[in-house]
Amino acid sequence: QKEVEQNSGPLSVPEGAIASLNCTYSDRVSQSFFWYRQYSGKSPELIMSIYSNGDKEDGRFTAQLNKASQYVSLLIRDSQPSDSATYLCAVIFGGTSYGKLTFGQGTILTVHP
Amino acid sequence: DVKVTQSSRYLVKRTGEKVFLECVQDMDHENMFWYRQDPGLGLRLIYFSYDVKMKEKGDIPEGYSVSREKKERFSLILESASTNQTSMYLCASTMTGLLYGYTFGSGTRLTVV
Repeated sequence: QKEVEQNSGPLSVPEGAIASLNCTYSDRVSQSFFWYRQYSGKSPELIMSIYSNGDKEDGRFTAQLNKASQYVSLLIRDSQPSDSATYLCAVIFGGTSYGKLTFGQGTILTVHP
Repeated sequence: DVKVTQSSRYLVKRTGEKVFLECVQDMDHENMFWYRQDPGLGLRLIYFSYDVKMKEKGDIPEGYSVSREKKERFSLILESASTNQTSMYLCASTMTGLLYGYTFGSGTRLTVV
């Protein structure tokens, strides 16, 4: 069974701090990784994608990928209360057809003023 | 922007009713997916479709069927609604390949009474 694991949290950080969200996956051949943000009662929205080892930055968000360790993370710099949400890690496993994603359970992030 | 539209935001149905949830996307995506999301259980794949009239079972297909008569439309059918099908239902679409995450619809919160 191919799996994506996340700490469910909740992760609580003060406003202005760096929030670090982590994800591990079970299939070494996986190639594509995504982070979604989901506000309570809303549907997930894509915030980052990463395909190569290393860091990818987009504004206050940085995704980090280490394929050897089967580990992907999301850093949120200068965290704001509006970043409070559930963050879902998703992976396209090797050999998966049709762009099908496997999701982690999600990490609840709370940014307190 | 890609739009995925789910026909109802909230729906209340009676036990034993046949329920249709509709999803339409406007960006010519080949692949469409139906998930349900429940607290503590994450996103669970019900069915997906990779072409018109083509479908595959996901992880929890029991009690559900799907229809894809046109590329842009993917319907989820609850053959005889039961209270344990009360959930948030999310439709998503994507292109085939490794580079694309899902675009989700806004979700349908279904309550079966």
